[in-house]
Amino acid sequence: DIQMTQSPSVLSASVGDRVTLNCKASQNVNKYLNWYQQNLGEAPKLLIYNTDNLQTGIPSRFSGSGSGTDYTLTISSLQPEDVATYFCFQHNSWPGTFGTGTKLELK
Amino acid sequence: EVQLVESGGGLVQPGRSLKLSCLASGFTFSNSGMNWIRQAPGKGLEWVASISSTSSYIYYADTVKGRFTISRDNAKNTLYLQMTSLRSEDTALYYCTKGGELDYWGQGVMVTVSS
Repeated sequence: DIQMTQSPSVLSASVGDRVTLNCKASQNVNKYLNWYQQNLGEAPKLLIYNTDNLQTGIPSRFSGSGSGTDYTLTISSLQPEDVATYFCFQHNSWPGTFGTGTKLELK
Repeated sequence: EVQLVESGGGLVQPGRSLKLSCLASGFTFSNSGMNWIRQAPGKGLEWVASISSTSSYIYYADTVKGRFTISRDNAKNTLYLQMTSLRSEDTALYYCTKGGELDYWGQGVMVTVSS
């Protein structure tokens, strides 16, 4: 199985900051990499699919990039409602595997 | 609006069985692959099983292979997960999700395996 490692595990930032979350795969996932936001007690919500495609209804401050084994989710200007845990997910090969998660907090 | 509503969870003793259901609406269910994903308390997400739109292709995580069976009824817009020989490590919130990209998720149903 492909292992997905996210960093950092916890990130503290201030409102208005540019925030970068990282996801590294143990092998090439060919840009089949999604990002999800999970608020406490809620189901994950798809933000970005296939590396850099913004899901309908998601604010444009969210963006994704990357290739090969290294991928990034960027929030251009952090808002209070962005406090959540973020997961990456590769669906290049079976089984799909999730990252370990990054918990985003307000400083 | 896409909706996925899971049901059938609860408290069950080790070794017993349970069947989860997921009623889908707001999209053409018969055209979409579906999946079960689970999340143990305080833990990350784990893909459990997937089924193609016509049930031709079915995949299971190694941790549940031989014990869980995924199925679907396209006439009823419903996805199922039959779980047998349940273990304490199967305790988790089980999510029904749509498509290979997991673009929509239900709210989840809790399964607790304990004596």
